[in-house]
Amino acid sequence: NAGVTQTPKFQVLKTGQSMTLQCAQDMNHNSMYWYRQDPGMGLRLIYYSASEGTTDKGEVPNGYNVSRLNKREFSLRLESAAPSQTSVYFCASSEEVYGSRAAQETQYFGPGTRLLVL
Amino acid sequence: AQTVTQSQPEMSVQEAETVTLSCTYDTSESDYYLFWYKQPPSRQMILVIRQEAYKQQNATENRFSVNFQKAAKSFSLKISDSQLGDAAMYFCAYRSQETSGSRLTFGEGTQLTVNP
Repeated sequence: NAGVTQTPKFQVLKTGQSMTLQCAQDMNHNSMYWYRQDPGMGLRLIYYSASEGTTDKGEVPNGYNVSRLNKREFSLRLESAAPSQTSVYFCASSEEVYGSRAAQETQYFGPGTRLLVL
Repeated sequence: AQTVTQSQPEMSVQEAETVTLSCTYDTSESDYYLFWYKQPPSRQMILVIRQEAYKQQNATENRFSVNFQKAAKSFSLKISDSQLGDAAMYFCAYRSQETSGSRLTFGEGTQLTVNP
């Protein structure tokens, strides 16, 4: 049981290049999330997916697209990378059951992807 | 929109002593969750403790406990018998129970140093 995995761990891009960050979870969770973490700041939500086939914008969605490929996988795509997107990206998942007070609603995070855009 | 504020960018504690990290939040909701996450140098986000707003009793997990003051919108973390492995960035986070989508709102973080 690996939990939440992310690839790659580190990536350097040139301005204008595109790339996809991959995330997978093996906990059979319904909900998945993408966050970015900038120096001196907490994590900010980019996009989330409450269930397979659905995605919604978070706090900072501009410049990103996402795909919920299946229940396990949730990818984040940068179509044209900009230096402002230099950050650490975290994927997370949770067993979201709306209205439920189950302990599974806690979010579990992957190890992060460090992205540098030159 | 909810906001979470951690007013202590850095804290330090001697090994085996107790330290308290502060967190305040702003919300108009009455039903929500609060969390403390730990981020060591490995950058992995690790859940430390969680509190449901409808519960009066403060949550406790071994050496970690919280002081939840709902009326004051305060949620502090107390670490007892501090260990070198507790050194990390600590984030307070808020999650609404009243709206769909389990989005977390994070504070800015507090960097905790544990001195031997």
